[in-house]
Amino acid sequence: KAGVTQTPRYLIKTRGQQVTLSCSPISGHRSVSWYQQTPGQGLQFLFEYFSETQRNKGNFPGRFSGRQFSNSRSEMNVSTLELGDSALYLCASSAMTGTGTYEQYFGPGTRLTVT
Amino acid sequence: AQRVTQPEKLLSVFKGAPVELKCNYSYSGSPELFWYVQYSRQRLQLLLRHISRESIKGFTADLNKGETSFHLKKPFAQEEDSAMYYCALSNTGKLIFGQGTTLQVKP
Repeated sequence: KAGVTQTPRYLIKTRGQQVTLSCSPISGHRSVSWYQQTPGQGLQFLFEYFSETQRNKGNFPGRFSGRQFSNSRSEMNVSTLELGDSALYLCASSAMTGTGTYEQYFGPGTRLTVT
Repeated sequence: AQRVTQPEKLLSVFKGAPVELKCNYSYSGSPELFWYVQYSRQRLQLLLRHISRESIKGFTADLNKGETSFHLKKPFAQEEDSAMYYCALSNTGKLIFGQGTTLQVKP
């Protein structure tokens, strides 16, 4: 199976702009999660979508939003960009295993730089 | 509060030496714990899951509920094990990560 793909891989934006990142999960996976990775804060959970519904949300401001489509592809949007939003944004897709746990498989990430 | 702590930012060992990457967690309930690894210029990938009690690439990890730990061990380190290792706790679909430990295996 093809792995999780994310587009674009690199992005440079200016403060105040907005940005949309895209994620295509592994075929058959219905859950998509987003994480922000920075050197200072590490890996932090943004939100999770399952069957087009947000199922979980992390502690990020409302400027961070997401959605999921009927084909499980997901997008996340960040409005009014701030310098501190510069990070690697990771998408992960998951499905329940035979043991009843969800295992998350990560994409390569989108490197966002805000200037 | 749910939290994962990896006390060492960097662990440096010689090839052939034993390795133990420490992970402690705080969670009220039955935890689901994982180890993820990120090799240079590669994506984050799942290494081990506690529920499987398996050995992957020679690594094992045992959940110790009494000590709330899930340390990652390997008896003989290889140079190709050099990478960033993250311990993670699963909580209703979201992963809570530790800060990560860089393992450096010297020749």
